[in-house]
Formats: sequence, structure tokens, C-alpha cells
Amino acid sequence: DAKTTQPNSMESNEEEPVHLPCNHSTISGTDYIHWYRQLPSQGPEYVIHGLTSNVNNRMASLAIAEDRKSSTLILHRATLRDAAVYYCIRTPNAGGTSYGKLTFGQGTILTVHP
Amino acid sequence: GAVVSQHPSWVICKSGTSVKIECRSLDFQATTMFWYRQFPKQSLMLMATSNEGSKATYEQGVEKDKFLINHASLTLSTLTVTSAHPEDSSFYICSAEGGHQPQHFGDGTRLSIL
Repeated sequence: DAKTTQPNSMESNEEEPVHLPCNHSTISGTDYIHWYRQLPSQGPEYVIHGLTSNVNNRMASLAIAEDRKSSTLILHRATLRDAAVYYCIRTPNAGGTSYGKLTFGQGTILTVHP
Repeated sequence: GAVVSQHPSWVICKSGTSVKIECRSLDFQATTMFWYRQFPKQSLMLMATSNEGSKATYEQGVEKDKFLINHASLTLSTLTVTSAHPEDSSFYICSAEGGHQPQHFGDGTRLSIL
């Protein structure tokens, strides 16, 4: 089972950076790390993914520890619209062009205060 | 970014009715589509994986004769809940991936069986 561990909840203030941690101590060398977020009554939204190097996109940054046993999703300036459940997911390399099944845990509920 | 459209957004119907949910990838070819179910205050649970032109692979405990999945083209997959009963009421979400792109999700279908 591709397992990750995240805090149940975190809080932040608007316009401050948010660091969402994820532990994946049993990760194997070819597993990717994906982050999704879900707002109430919506499907999950892709945020970012990476393998070894840190990754940046318009939504967030992903910092992956050197030993790959943990990673941190960084929202540089939280807004009220960033309030969501954030899921950190390992995907065992399914081969070919597929990342394979996503196994969702309970995620981290992020609350953003105005 | 990749867009996945799911239709309808919500359905209310009588017990015993069959309900079809469509999932379309609008701007990419989805070699694989996934169907999830989410009950209130719970995380997403994968129901099945479908590859275009092949029979779907169902997760353990999911009745394939009750949840019929068709993935006839690279842009469309359908989930039919046959003879739906109140216990089938849930939030159904599809996702699609293709070309080594991460999965992108539809906005979900809220199914209520009376």
C-alpha cells in the first residue's frame, strides 16, 4: 500500500507562506510524489508532482528531502481560496506513460484566516 | 491545463433506476480513466480503472455488474450505476490521464437515490 503521513489539519493567515509536510519514509526509488487538493463538493485539483528534484509551478513549490523520505508543499502566499484538503500521494511507477492508481489518505485540512 | 468534464453534476432519482455518468477529457487523449466514490467526510476511494478499448479493472469489493464502466474512446468513459438504491448515494468522481501527464479530475457527480 503506497502510504503517506500528513498532519490532520493546519492553519495559516492570508498572504503568509504555508508549508504542508508529508512523510513517505518507505518510498522506493521510482515512486513519484503527487499533491492534489480538494475544495468542498468538487473533484480534486492537481497541484504539483515530482520525483527527486524540487519543483515549482504557478500554484506551488514542492521541496523533496534528499533521502526522499519526506516532502513539503509550499504555498508562497496563502489566499482564502487555498483553503482545502491537501493530499500527498505516492505513486509506484506503473511503467510506460501512466503514473498508476492514486491512493488517497485523509489529507491535511488547511484553514486560511483572513 | 488539462480539463476533464463530468456530467451530470447532480442526479436525484428513485430507487431501482439506472443512472449513467459521463466523463470526458476535453483537451487530451485519456488512455486511462479512473472512477472514484466519496462518502461524506471520507476520502476518495478508487472503484475501477479503465483503459480505452479494454474491460475495466475493479477494486476489491466493487461489484462490476452494478457499476458498469465503458471506455469506448480516448475522450469518453461512462459509469452506469444499475438498479441504484439509497446506499449507492454518494459523490462519484472521474479522473483521466494520458501521455505521461498526471491525473486530472472532473468536478464530480452528486448522486442521491430516494
